[in-house]
Amino acid sequence: SQTIHQWPATLVQPVGSPLSLECTVEGTSNPNLYWYRQAAGRGLQLLFYSVGIGQISSEVPQNLSASRPQDRQFILSSKKLLLSDSGFYLCAWDNRRGNTIYFGEGSWLTVV
Amino acid sequence: DAKTTQPPSMDCAEGRAANLPCNHSTISGNEYVYWYRQIHSQGPQYIIHGLKNNETNEMASLIITEDRKSSTLILPHATLRDTAVYYCIVRVGSMIKAAGNKLTFGGGTRVLVKP
Repeated sequence: SQTIHQWPATLVQPVGSPLSLECTVEGTSNPNLYWYRQAAGRGLQLLFYSVGIGQISSEVPQNLSASRPQDRQFILSSKKLLLSDSGFYLCAWDNRRGNTIYFGEGSWLTVV
Repeated sequence: DAKTTQPPSMDCAEGRAANLPCNHSTISGNEYVYWYRQIHSQGPQYIIHGLKNNETNEMASLIITEDRKSSTLILPHATLRDTAVYYCIVRVGSMIKAAGNKLTFGGGTRVLVKP
């Protein structure tokens, strides 16, 4: 069966520090991969998606970047965090043979 | 992707059926209706999806109107663990690689199951 993991689960970082959130998918190959952010009390916002290694599409201009160094690995990064980067970040995947997107456990980021 | 409209909140008695409405009047012919739920501090959990026909699985039933402009998620016997925010989403089901199968979430319905 397919599984998705993201880490760390919780992160408290000072303003101006770097960020790296990692996500891996197991049990499938060539998935579409996504990074979402959920601010407190709001719906999910798509940040990045990737249809293949090295292929990244950004949905909103921001202080973050994404990379896909391997087929089943998706990384969310920032060189210098802002207070507004705080939120709940979710990695997700779907298999092109099906329509359903599955989400990871989420990572809570607090920028202080 | 088409926009969806859901009531912000609703209460439900434990053991009773919960009927969650969703309007998607601008849905196009190739867009599916998806339902997810999110329990506090966890990632969204897939519930069910459909295109035209009504669907049922071990978690819920999905009723889509004939004109496809609205749908209802039915939790047949709500339990306290069903308390969550429920999201109705419409999206293209295309497998075209370049499309990326993007998914957009709105505000959802906060469901509170009461004993």
